[in-house]
Amino acid sequence: GAVVSQHPSWVICKSGTSVKIECRSLDFQATTMFWYRQFPKQSLMLMATSNEGSKATYEQGVEKDKFLINHASLTLSTLTVTSAHPEDSSFYICSALLAGASYNEQFFGPGTRLTVL
Amino acid sequence: GQQLNQSPQSMFIQEGEDVSMNCTSSSIFNTWLWYKQDPGEGPVLLIALYKAGELTSNGRLTAQFGITRKDSFLNISASIPSDVGIYFCAGRSSMEYGNKLVFGAGTILRVKS
Repeated sequence: GAVVSQHPSWVICKSGTSVKIECRSLDFQATTMFWYRQFPKQSLMLMATSNEGSKATYEQGVEKDKFLINHASLTLSTLTVTSAHPEDSSFYICSALLAGASYNEQFFGPGTRLTVL
Repeated sequence: GQQLNQSPQSMFIQEGEDVSMNCTSSSIFNTWLWYKQDPGEGPVLLIALYKAGELTSNGRLTAQFGITRKDSFLNISASIPSDVGIYFCAGRSSMEYGNKLVFGAGTILRVKS
């Protein structure tokens, strides 16, 4: 249980185009999902918290108009990188929060490698 | 913001050896987690700790939630080649809202067979 998928697993796009990444919780419902960015040989940096049915909460320094997040259902959150530039190239990882009576933890997707040319 | 200091940064050990890594913080944490990340993959939860002093095992892995609530360690016994990867500690402090996690910088583990 607690499987999270991401699609696509990798994407290459031209500078100026927009890219959408999907995050799905496959066997549980998640009212909260998180989006992280990871640069090579670095740790995970939280970009935003995605809440089903409401606006995402962005971390300081993350442009909400550039990284659009939509959490329209209890099993799907999407991250759209708008007008992508080479500096947006990174590994984007989502996680979904599995909440229970005594358990409240994030399970991560396999990540999406974005390369902007 | 909250910060976790994870050490060592990397380790290159012989197969069969035991491994120890730790995380410390100047702040108190309510939860300590240990994840493993393989190249090109997302982190996988290894052990979750919720109580100060708690010692939890998962196969050859053992982790402890420090008594002061400001540190945690992860031990791997009798390492094998598939233990190779990056290990991250993560914590949740009482100062953060919404279940946000803070991650350490990671420990790169290489195993020589």
